[in-house]
Amino acid sequence: SQQGEEDPQALSIQEGENATMNCSYKTSINNLQWYRQNSGRGLVHLILIRSNEREKHSGRLRVTLDTSKKSSSLLITASRAADTASYFCATEGDSWGKLQFGAGTQVVVTP
Amino acid sequence: DTGVSQDPRHKITKRGQNVTFRCDPISEHNRLYWYRQTLGQGPEFLTYFQNEAQLEKSRLLSDRFSAERPKGSFSTLEIQRTEQGDSAMYLCASSPPPTSAYRAGELFFGEGSRLTVL
Repeated sequence: SQQGEEDPQALSIQEGENATMNCSYKTSINNLQWYRQNSGRGLVHLILIRSNEREKHSGRLRVTLDTSKKSSSLLITASRAADTASYFCATEGDSWGKLQFGAGTQVVVTP
Repeated sequence: DTGVSQDPRHKITKRGQNVTFRCDPISEHNRLYWYRQTLGQGPEFLTYFQNEAQLEKSRLLSDRFSAERPKGSFSTLEIQRTEQGDSAMYLCASSPPPTSAYRAGELFFGEGSRLTVL
């Protein structure tokens, strides 16, 4: 079963706009991660935020975590066509590397 | 290429046949994971190894599934008597032992092996 719910399921934006996607989860976590997947390819790790952190930045990515609401958001600023992909949140509990993924947000960035 | 390697990338088989997938993790990564991803869904955990020991198996891993990592390096995932419901992308990932330089929890995924059962 999927741990997380992601919202929206799909997002279509133009280049230069920001893309925001949200993730909610059910159980306590050690960390929450975001991955990107291009169509038919493997997953690429984007960013990890620990349960005691509230916000983290990496390049054009900004992730927030609210453990009281069991939710996270990923913001991609100044999006590019190359950002077109599916984005998944994944939570890690007590078992190292055993991630529970959401169903993903499909992002399409048009030039 | 020093990434996680999976073979074959695509496999089409008839129901009832056996299939085997191979995963070569990144060198020095002692942990190896198998996940399954069906269309439109996120990956689901199947099993993981630390070195050659299989430490956890999901309930998704029925008796028809078996995974091995005999020498703590590459791993194989075999599906016996395949069913149409086994059609999915099988993803392998690896991770190194925790150190101060390694961001704990990040997994390095391969490109996946896509299985189609007719």
